[in-house]
Amino acid sequence: EVQLVQSGAEVKKPGESLKISCKGSGYSFPSYWIGWVRQMPGKGLEWMGIISPGDSDTRYSPSFQGQVTISADKSITTAYLQWSSLKASDTAMYYCVRQRSPTLVGAIYWGQGTLVTVSS
Amino acid sequence: QSVLTQPPSVSAAPGQKVTISCSGSSSNIGNNYVAWYQQLPGTAPKLLIYDNDKRPPGIPDRFSGSKSGTSATLGITGLQSGDEADYYCGTWDSSLSAVFGGGTKLTVL
Repeated sequence: EVQLVQSGAEVKKPGESLKISCKGSGYSFPSYWIGWVRQMPGKGLEWMGIISPGDSDTRYSPSFQGQVTISADKSITTAYLQWSSLKASDTAMYYCVRQRSPTLVGAIYWGQGTLVTVSS
Repeated sequence: QSVLTQPPSVSAAPGQKVTISCSGSSSNIGNNYVAWYQQLPGTAPKLLIYDNDKRPPGIPDRFSGSKSGTSATLGITGLQSGDEADYYCGTWDSSLSAVFGGGTKLTVL
């Protein structure tokens, strides 16, 4: 069974760093891209970027370039999304998603989401 | 403001049919595949349609997708109360990013 299991909810202060994770199982992890999607409270879906765990080829949405870092460790079948300095506006639910390629948005498998709350 | 335009809300009675539109441009829908997602409150989005008109395993044929030019449409027949949710269209854009519509809230009257 294909699964994407994300790390738990986080509460952070502005300026702090954070790294959340997404562990894939039940399939060949290097063979599929892992994307990240943000959903701010009461708002829609925003695609942040994507990584190919096989070769670490990473693409960012222009809206998120320089704001976050996406990485992956194929040896432990885990992808990551990290911030070096959080802002209150980073408060959101973050989902990882298994994609066939960056340009194919139809994805069956999603993580359960990680809620990040940034508040002083 | 989303790159793809969806109506904020639609409604219909149980058993009826509803369609949700998704309007884009040649930079996105016009040259890329479209997907549709259903999001129930408090849950991750669920894929309903991919590659314009294909249903993943387990998705009933009450759900259908189509694309024409720079617009796409999700159709839902035989509406049920369990279909009340937010629906999103998504595709790739020439800005080198996937993009989504703003979402449509479906109310089953």
